[in-house]
Amino acid sequence: QKEVEQNSGPLSVPEGAIASLNCTYSDRGSQSFFWYRQYSGKSPELIMFIYSNGDKEDGRFTAQLNKASQYVSLLIRDSQPSDSATYLCAVKSNSGYALNFGKGTSLLVTP
Amino acid sequence: EAGVAQSPRYKIIEKRQSVAFWCNPISGHATLYWYQQILGQGPKLLIQFQNNGVVDDSQLPKDRFSAERLKGVDSTLKIQPAKLEDSAVYLCASSLGGGTSNHEQFFGPGTRLTVL
Repeated sequence: QKEVEQNSGPLSVPEGAIASLNCTYSDRGSQSFFWYRQYSGKSPELIMFIYSNGDKEDGRFTAQLNKASQYVSLLIRDSQPSDSATYLCAVKSNSGYALNFGKGTSLLVTP
Repeated sequence: EAGVAQSPRYKIIEKRQSVAFWCNPISGHATLYWYQQILGQGPKLLIQFQNNGVVDDSQLPKDRFSAERLKGVDSTLKIQPAKLEDSAVYLCASSLGGGTSNHEQFFGPGTRLTVL
């Protein structure tokens, strides 16, 4: 069973702080990594994807990947109350077709 | 550009009844996915179509679930008979490509199924 693990939270951070969301995966053949945001009662929407070791930045979001440690993270700088949502980590192997999702981490940004 | 459309948005049925969900993907998207999302969990892929062919249905409970994508556009997912544990949100997604490509998957609003 290929596992994607996330701390369910809730993770609570004050407005303006950095939120750090973490994800580990079990399949060493995994090649593509995605972060989705899901507001309560809504469908997931893609925030970022990363394929290579290191950091990838997009606005206030930074994805970090360490394949040796089988670890991917998402940093949200200058967190806003509108960032309050569940963040889903999804992993895809080169040999497979499906996205394998974690259970998600609930983030709460307090004013 | 219109997004992924799904209907109905909500459905309440009794156990052992049957139910069907409909999905219309984004125009031009070859790949269509059906996911099941149980409350508090991430989406789980049930079936993936590339045009009108099935490329992955390894997690589809085939004794009660069926899906089709006639003409490679719209798709229907059916449950017959439904069980209590089928209560979930059923999400349809589509992407330009599929297989081992990494085209973004766009999700529809989902159908919330409650089985009593």
